[in-house]
Amino acid sequence: AQSVTQLDSQVPVFEEAPVELRCNYSSSVSVYLFWYVQYPNQGLQLLLKYLSGSTLVESINGFEAEFNKSQTSFHLRKPSVHISDTAEYFCAVSRAGGTSYGKLTFGQGTILTVHP
Amino acid sequence: KAGVTQTPRYLIKTRGQQVTLSCSPISGHRSVSWYQQTPGQGLQFLFEYFSETQRNKGNFPGRFSGRQFSNSRSEMNVSTLELGDSALYLCASSLAQGPTNEKLFFGSGTQLSVL
Repeated sequence: AQSVTQLDSQVPVFEEAPVELRCNYSSSVSVYLFWYVQYPNQGLQLLLKYLSGSTLVESINGFEAEFNKSQTSFHLRKPSVHISDTAEYFCAVSRAGGTSYGKLTFGQGTILTVHP
Repeated sequence: KAGVTQTPRYLIKTRGQQVTLSCSPISGHRSVSWYQQTPGQGLQFLFEYFSETQRNKGNFPGRFSGRQFSNSRSEMNVSTLELGDSALYLCASSLAQGPTNEKLFFGSGTQLSVL
């Protein structure tokens, strides 16, 4: 079984400041790692994912996350946030190598609020 | 291409009743998964269907069931509703063609309130 812990339930930050949303996971098997974002009144959208290879993965809107196997972490970072980044962010894992792609274990979510 | 469509958007039921929620996946997607989202428990996996077969099931009681039709549309049913079943129910679809191109596309959800 897998579990995911998002260390901060809320992160307030000013516009153009850097931000880090922390995620740790626990699993007895290899996992794939994901960050999903949920804007108000919308469904979740995939932000980025790590399957294998380079431990640093990037999204098209400036976010990046680094897989750290020794620390079992997958923290999300952005060097300069915008008001439009205000949303709830979810870290998730799934079992690597399986065929059940729809089964994700999610963290509790981190609400990122960007202030002007 | 149309996104994942869930109906109805809002639903109010009373304890003891049953409810059926519907999900139409993106055209061509063969896998449909269901999640329950609550403020206390967060997002929890209910079940996944692929080619009309349940491929995985989460830790929910038997009152929660689902099915998938030949056109990949899916329904989930909750019988004998309890107050604790009040939640946002999210459906997600995917191509299910391998992890490299895999991502879940979520609908906007059905908000179920049990009174």
